[in-house]
Amino acid sequence: DGGITQSPKYLFRKEGQNVTLSCEQNLNHDAMYWYRQDPGQGLRLIYYSQIVNDFQKGDIAEGYSVSREKKESFPLTVTSAQKNPTAFYLCASRRSGLAGDSNTGELFFGEGSRLTVL
Amino acid sequence: AQSVAQPEDQVNVAEGNPLTVKCTYSVSGNPYLFWYVQYPNRGLQFLLKYITGDNLVKGSYGFEAEFNKSQTSFHLKKPSALVSDSALYFCAVRDPMRQNRDDKIIFGKGTRLHILP
Repeated sequence: DGGITQSPKYLFRKEGQNVTLSCEQNLNHDAMYWYRQDPGQGLRLIYYSQIVNDFQKGDIAEGYSVSREKKESFPLTVTSAQKNPTAFYLCASRRSGLAGDSNTGELFFGEGSRLTVL
Repeated sequence: AQSVAQPEDQVNVAEGNPLTVKCTYSVSGNPYLFWYVQYPNRGLQFLLKYITGDNLVKGSYGFEAEFNKSQTSFHLKKPSALVSDSALYFCAVRDPMRQNRDDKIIFGKGTRLHILP
């Protein structure tokens, strides 16, 4: 079945370590997004990518990095520079990331990755 | 700048009663509006969207939402609540006038819906 797969579902990290969260989709979607969810703060946009080999910072990009080398994959690295990384991370995709496309495209979400810093 | 507000952190409704979850938005042009639902430790599931046309849109699980341009609102409704509707609900907006690299979807902070048996 088509969908978005995030891994790992749970991850523990020591302070000072970088960690990479995987996001893979087989929906043939162009656009992919990373959101961070904290209690009472809703979803905040970290990074997004409208097309392969291109990505943009969202509202809270500091301490995070991404790559988009393949259409199917959009991994997120939480670096040691991120001061408060403990959170629930959600990856999403949408069919078209290009303006002028009539697709109104709702987001499809993965099941999330919960990162805890010890 | 585009933004979404969900003024209620929590809404409590008795089972069988109608429910409303409020959402207001701000965009420069005509918005694309969405509602999603999230169950504990899960991703978000799409419920419904407004793009254009009829102001009342129907979605999954018996939910509907009413677009009101003058009040810049997009409230989620259901005529008769079920205990299984208890979850976290998110409103989201996309500004279709934003081009290419600036095209993004913004979410509200979420409203927790409790349906009381």
